[in-house]
Amino acid sequence: DAGVTQSPTHLIKTRGQHVTLRCSPISGHKSVSWYQQVLGQGPQFIFQYYEKEERGRGNFPDRFSARQFPNYSSELNVNALLLGDSALYLCASSSEGGGYRGTQYFGPGTRLLVL
Amino acid sequence: QKEVEQNSGPLSVPEGAIASLNCTYSDRGSQSFFWYRQYSGKSPELIMFIYSNGDKEDGRFTAQLNKASQYVSLLIRDSQPSDSATYLCAVIPMDSSYKLIFGSGTRLLVRP
Repeated sequence: DAGVTQSPTHLIKTRGQHVTLRCSPISGHKSVSWYQQVLGQGPQFIFQYYEKEERGRGNFPDRFSARQFPNYSSELNVNALLLGDSALYLCASSSEGGGYRGTQYFGPGTRLLVL
Repeated sequence: QKEVEQNSGPLSVPEGAIASLNCTYSDRGSQSFFWYRQYSGKSPELIMFIYSNGDKEDGRFTAQLNKASQYVSLLIRDSQPSDSATYLCAVIPMDSSYKLIFGSGTRLLVRP
């Protein structure tokens, strides 16, 4: 079975622009989480969606938004890009929407560079 | 205090040795603990998860959890150069079970 897929793999934008990142979870998984990983740090939680509902949001500004579609794929949108938004954006898939047994599997990530 | 702390390393061990990676966490109510491996330029790959106190073994990997000391570790036996990577410890906190809290990772170098 295919794992988590993300697109695009790399992206270059300029400050002030908007970006949309896409993710498809593992088949049968209903939960998608988004993380931001800056070089040298661990991933930071942005959002989790389960059954198309937002389950949780991390400490990120309102410029970040997301949604989940009926087929459980997801989009992460970032408006008014800042240089500091340059990072690896990771999508994680799990079969459950949280809970202490919610093992998350990561996709290959989208590397965003903001100039 | 960071929620999940790891020594950044690098931890350098010779091929065939046991590598010991450590992680402490601040939320005493945390229930689930994960180890991910991340090669340079790649995404994190799940190695193991552990929920209960004690040891859990999977092949060359052993995860150890001590909730009283708020400490989780990963042992890699017979280390191989291909094990050279950054190892991320992650915790599901008690008050928000939908997210993983990661440490900054420990870089492991296995010398041939």
